[in-house]
Amino acid sequence: EDKVVQSPLSLVVHEGDTVTLNCSYEVTNFRSLLWYKQEKKAPTFLFMLTSSGIEKKSGRLSSILDKKELFSILNITATQTGDSAVYLCAGEGAQKLVFGQGTRLTINP
Amino acid sequence: KAGVTQTPRYLIKTRGQQVTLSCSPISGHRSVSWYQQTPGQGLQFLFEYFSETQRNKGNFPGRFSGRQFSNSRSEMNVSTLELGDSALYLCASSPVTSGGAGETQYFGPGTRLLVL
Repeated sequence: EDKVVQSPLSLVVHEGDTVTLNCSYEVTNFRSLLWYKQEKKAPTFLFMLTSSGIEKKSGRLSSILDKKELFSILNITATQTGDSAVYLCAGEGAQKLVFGQGTRLTINP
Repeated sequence: KAGVTQTPRYLIKTRGQQVTLSCSPISGHRSVSWYQQTPGQGLQFLFEYFSETQRNKGNFPGRFSGRQFSNSRSEMNVSTLELGDSALYLCASSPVTSGGAGETQYFGPGTRLLVL
């Protein structure tokens, strides 16, 4: 059965800290790994990763995929209170997304 | 370009009733997927439609069904509602080709269903 596991499930840090969120996956016919940010509404897309070892970067956020070890990480540097959200990763396989439980990130001022 | 829209945004039903939710994808997107999100189970895939055909289905009972129209709008129906069906139902549209490339999905705001 396909599964995606995220860790930690919850993380509380101070503004300015750097955080690393983890995502491991076992998805049949794996095509890509996606990261989303969810605040109090629908998830918003952050990154899609298809190739191993190539870092994708957007401002203070970056992500990388390891297809050999079947995991991905999402890094956020110089965190701000606006980064507080649930971060979801999803493995794409056979026209469907399998989501992890999410990591609830809280940034304290 | 307008985003994915879902109606209604909130809905209250009682056990045993049925409900129909609607999703209008981003213009030009032909794939629509439906997800159920609950605090306990997280985001779970329901089904995906492309060109009016269901291409993939998650592990949900037959009470959950859907369809897609020729304009790519999609509906999902839940019959004989149970308390456990209370959830946020999200649809997502994707500009995938018929070959199913690894495209991103764009989520709608969701319909929050409460079953009493």
